[in-house]
Amino acid sequence: GAVVSQHPSWVICKSGTSVKIECRSLDFQATTMFWYRQFPKQSLMLMATSNEGSKATYEQGVEKDKFLINHASLTLSTLTVTSAHPEDSSFYICSAREGEGPYEQYFGPGTRLTVT
Amino acid sequence: GDSVTQMEGPVTLSEEAFLTINCTYTATGYPSLFWYVQYPGEGLQLLLKATKADDKGSNKGFEATYRKETTSFHLEKGSVQVSDSAVYFCALSDLFRGAQKLVFGQGTRLTINP
Repeated sequence: GAVVSQHPSWVICKSGTSVKIECRSLDFQATTMFWYRQFPKQSLMLMATSNEGSKATYEQGVEKDKFLINHASLTLSTLTVTSAHPEDSSFYICSAREGEGPYEQYFGPGTRLTVT
Repeated sequence: GDSVTQMEGPVTLSEEAFLTINCTYTATGYPSLFWYVQYPGEGLQLLLKATKADDKGSNKGFEATYRKETTSFHLEKGSVQVSDSAVYFCALSDLFRGAQKLVFGQGTRLTINP
């Protein structure tokens, strides 16, 4: 089946620094990628939707200047957490869609971010 | 807005036991319903889906039926195995401002003991 990878799988950074998370579709072209955030024992919350070559669409309440999303190619999207703070510590998950319909989303394994 | 509520975990069962994980939803439209499974260290995988009322999704011995009258999509398996240990997410997809989006429940951690 379709595979989505994320890198890194775990990152620790200091407060005030920025960190970039990569999401790659390994064996298909992803026209749309999604970024989710998951808090412990809570559900995945959609942060933003990105289409290749265009600006990301952010969900209500998500700061677009803090969570920079770039979808420069059909196989790569990046999420940059700028000026990270401890409250940004979370599990970030991406997914990629090959065709039409949400059930064709393929999920990455997630990246755990810890801000100290 | 749309939402999904799952039974709280964790759930611990013995091998070959019967499994039910409850899921109910609220939606303004007519959503499609899904169960995703996340094995340790892996990404979410689609387990099964149903797109209209009374549809039954099934895969790997798991089943769930789309019940519109009770707004439910409970996951069942007749005889669980140790390899079924994972986190299970119920989800719906609906149109939000012209875009199809997934809304997830909080997940239920299932542990099967041999």
